[in-house]
Amino acid sequence: GAGVSQSPRYKVAKRGQDVALRCDPISGHVSLFWYQQALGQGPEFLTYFQNEAQLDKSGLPSDRFFAERPEGSVSTLKIQRTQQEDSAVYLCASSYGLAELGYFGPGTRLTVT
Amino acid sequence: EDQVTQSPEALRLQEGESSSLNCSYTVSGLRGLFWYRQDPGKGPEFLFTLYSAGEEKEKERLKATLTKKESFLHITAPKPEDSATYLCAVQAEGYQKVTFGTGTKLQVIP
Repeated sequence: GAGVSQSPRYKVAKRGQDVALRCDPISGHVSLFWYQQALGQGPEFLTYFQNEAQLDKSGLPSDRFFAERPEGSVSTLKIQRTQQEDSAVYLCASSYGLAELGYFGPGTRLTVT
Repeated sequence: EDQVTQSPEALRLQEGESSSLNCSYTVSGLRGLFWYRQDPGKGPEFLFTLYSAGEEKEKERLKATLTKKESFLHITAPKPEDSATYLCAVQAEGYQKVTFGTGTKLQVIP
């Protein structure tokens, strides 16, 4: 595809459920970022991958959040035992350059009820 | 810790009325300062990267400038399609994390 894609675009989960959010970066992009954006706020950093290596996970808010990029392309952000405060838009961005933010996908809007 | 403060929070302009958005930042060694545009329900769209004080970049009606403490996004003769939230972000040298401000919501009235 021409850009970064994310799926699903919308996800409604009941509190306590596990969810998995997928990011398909632009082919060949080395860097991949995950961000969380609450309504009316700027994006907040979650984690960064360089190829398959997770070099920075300092922004993950708790051990319920887990991200992986096993083959250096597609990435999955998993949230276990979802809570209402996890409701937000989750954004993925990728680029060719090392640690460059690059292009964002459309995001996945997660609503926890 | 890196900090980014954007002002004003919201700005309403008449079509053709030029103005500037401000981004004040603190960072321990700037690697880059970024400007993004975000439309409702969409991911941020990249506009500019600035690397050092004195640098300027232009794209259509937008011009971004950088000093050691702040950046400005100048909008010349805006059109209604320029209405969006404009986000500023910084990245420190040696780090991957990019820190965003809360944005300026711009509305351009025909």
